[in-house]
Amino acid sequence: GNSVTQMEGPVTLSEEAFLTINCTYTATGYPSLFWYVQYPGEGLQLLLKATKADDKGSNKGFEATYRKETTSFHLEKGSVQVSDSAVYFCALRINTGTASKLTFGTGTRLQVTL
Amino acid sequence: GAVVSQHPSRVICKSGTSVKIECRSLDFQATTMFWYRQFPKQSLMLMATSNEGSKATYEQGVEKDKFLINHASLTLSTLTVTSAHPEDSSFYICSAWENTEAFFGQGTRLTVV
Repeated sequence: GNSVTQMEGPVTLSEEAFLTINCTYTATGYPSLFWYVQYPGEGLQLLLKATKADDKGSNKGFEATYRKETTSFHLEKGSVQVSDSAVYFCALRINTGTASKLTFGTGTRLQVTL
Repeated sequence: GAVVSQHPSRVICKSGTSVKIECRSLDFQATTMFWYRQFPKQSLMLMATSNEGSKATYEQGVEKDKFLINHASLTLSTLTVTSAHPEDSSFYICSAWENTEAFFGQGTRLTVV
């Protein structure tokens, strides 16, 4: 079956520190990979995505590269801000149709302090 | 981008009563919507796939008679928690795809007392 494994949180960093949140996956077929962010009390927002091997998704200073050889999609940011404090979910999708199930990791809570 | 709107954002109900949660795609049509449940500090668990004009598809372990899903139009899906109990208290989130991106509602915090 399909699954996503994320590093457990919480991750606590000082502002301007470097962030890495690890994500690995198991999938049948060729998945698309996503990172979603959830702010307190809200739904999920797409942060970035990659649809094929070696693609790099990027948004708001965050980056993740689709590594087929290591089945990974680690999230990185060079300098975090307090406003980045949220829960981050790694996810995959197998179907290429317009309505497909997403398989989520357990989420990693990031807390950024001044 | 597209918007998925969920209502209500918070609801408190008494044990034994039923609660309806609405999920609307505001500027696009969605033949399929997804309902997730999120426990505190845990990931999203897919409960069911809502299909416009037909029966919903439930994930294993989800009671279809307890979590009634209706997808009567291309822009509206509803989840009704019937005979709610305190263990049904949770955060419920719906989503729909528009082109190649999934959009999520803001979630509904259900508290059963």
